[in-house]
Amino acid sequence: EVQLVESGGDLAQPGGSLRLSCVASGFTLSPYTMTWVRQAPGKGLEWVSFISDSDRTVFYADSVRGRFTISRDNAKNSLYLQMNSLRAEDTAVYFCARAVVTAPHWYFDLWGRGSLVTVSS
Amino acid sequence: DIQMTQSPSTLSASLGDRVTITCRASESIANWLAWYQQKPGKGPKLLIYEASTLQSGVSSRFSGSGSGTEFTLTISSLQPDDSATYFCQQYHSYRTFGPGTKLEIK
Repeated sequence: EVQLVESGGDLAQPGGSLRLSCVASGFTLSPYTMTWVRQAPGKGLEWVSFISDSDRTVFYADSVRGRFTISRDNAKNSLYLQMNSLRAEDTAVYFCARAVVTAPHWYFDLWGRGSLVTVSS
Repeated sequence: DIQMTQSPSTLSASLGDRVTITCRASESIANWLAWYQQKPGKGPKLLIYEASTLQSGVSSRFSGSGSGTEFTLTISSLQPDDSATYFCQQYHSYRTFGPGTKLEIK
């Protein structure tokens, strides 16, 4: 089955760090641009970060730039999101999603089930 | 940033009904619009891209139309499995999502 499975979500203190992982199964991650999208409780969706298939291009939403780092390990068929200096407003379910790119336009054709990150003291 | 709005925010309809959800962009996005379906505890599922192209494997009861600033998602002959929240997303400039429309089956 083609799927993405996230893990690593947890309760973290403000100012703390977490690392999210996303493992792809049923397909090879390497040719694809991958992204993270988050959804705060009861709220809409917010795109967070993007990494191109070649690793050469990464983008971040203004709200996380300088605090979050996206990376990938194609050998492990995995995507990561290192989250530092966490704030209460980072509390959300984090989804990894596969992007379909028609440069410079891209949308998301496959999503995981999400991993909950809660930032609270 | 391009802002997206959706109407209605909630919708209650009966099995077999035809329902329409509207999405509006604050400026023209040509046809760079996608529609997603999300059920509780799950990630979104892509239904439509480029405003009117049906994603492979998605029921033909779903259709999309529009261009510029106004778009619609139509579900013909509503089925129990259609109960979900529906989001639009523009990908013309940056990426922003609409606030969602919660569809309930009477």
